[in-house]
Amino acid sequence: ETGVTQSPTHLIKTRGQQVTLRCSSQSGHNTVSWYQQALGQGPQFIFQYYREEENGRGNFPPRFSGLQFPNYSSELNVNALELDDSALYLCASSFGSRLQAFFGQGTRLTVV
Amino acid sequence: DQQVKQNSPSLSVQEGRISILNCDYTNSMFDYFLWYKKYPAEGPTFLISISSIKDKNEDGRFTVFLNKSAKHLSLHIVPSQPGDSAVYFCAASARGSQGNLIFGKGTKLSVKP
Repeated sequence: ETGVTQSPTHLIKTRGQQVTLRCSSQSGHNTVSWYQQALGQGPQFIFQYYREEENGRGNFPPRFSGLQFPNYSSELNVNALELDDSALYLCASSFGSRLQAFFGQGTRLTVV
Repeated sequence: DQQVKQNSPSLSVQEGRISILNCDYTNSMFDYFLWYKKYPAEGPTFLISISSIKDKNEDGRFTVFLNKSAKHLSLHIVPSQPGDSAVYFCAASARGSQGNLIFGKGTKLSVKP
């Protein structure tokens, strides 16, 4: 059984660019959530996908968007990057409504 | 407006003693609470959870206590081990929130040999 894996692990982008982060969910999990963790803060919920549909969204602007694929892997896309988007982006997978989510190691995004 | 608060940024404990990590919340709709542990360069790892219908849940060296009237929960680690040194996050979820976990800022625990 494989765990949650995220790619890339580190990324540097320029302000105004677009970025795509990827996540492979744990085997058997059909729900993926994305979180943003700024330095010194706890993870903050961006959105959740269940069976390829967005199933809930936190307080993030529309330039944060996502996809979930039939194999339950997921992408997080951020357009028009801003300096404040610099953070650790965490993906978590779970099965259905179970709240015990399993996290990946995260992607560290730096916007310069 | 922080709904989940961990007011102690850090805690230092001697090996073998008890570690007590605290968490306060403001939203009375929260009905499920979790603790996660995070090592540097790794994602958070689930530790233990508790439903609002209980006031205590135990798993080995880890016990979580929930005081609903005070909107307070705590994680007890007994005995503490150097490998427990990590950042501990308290998280909460409200019924019907579609799995949206609200996290505190974390408490960095250092267990000294």
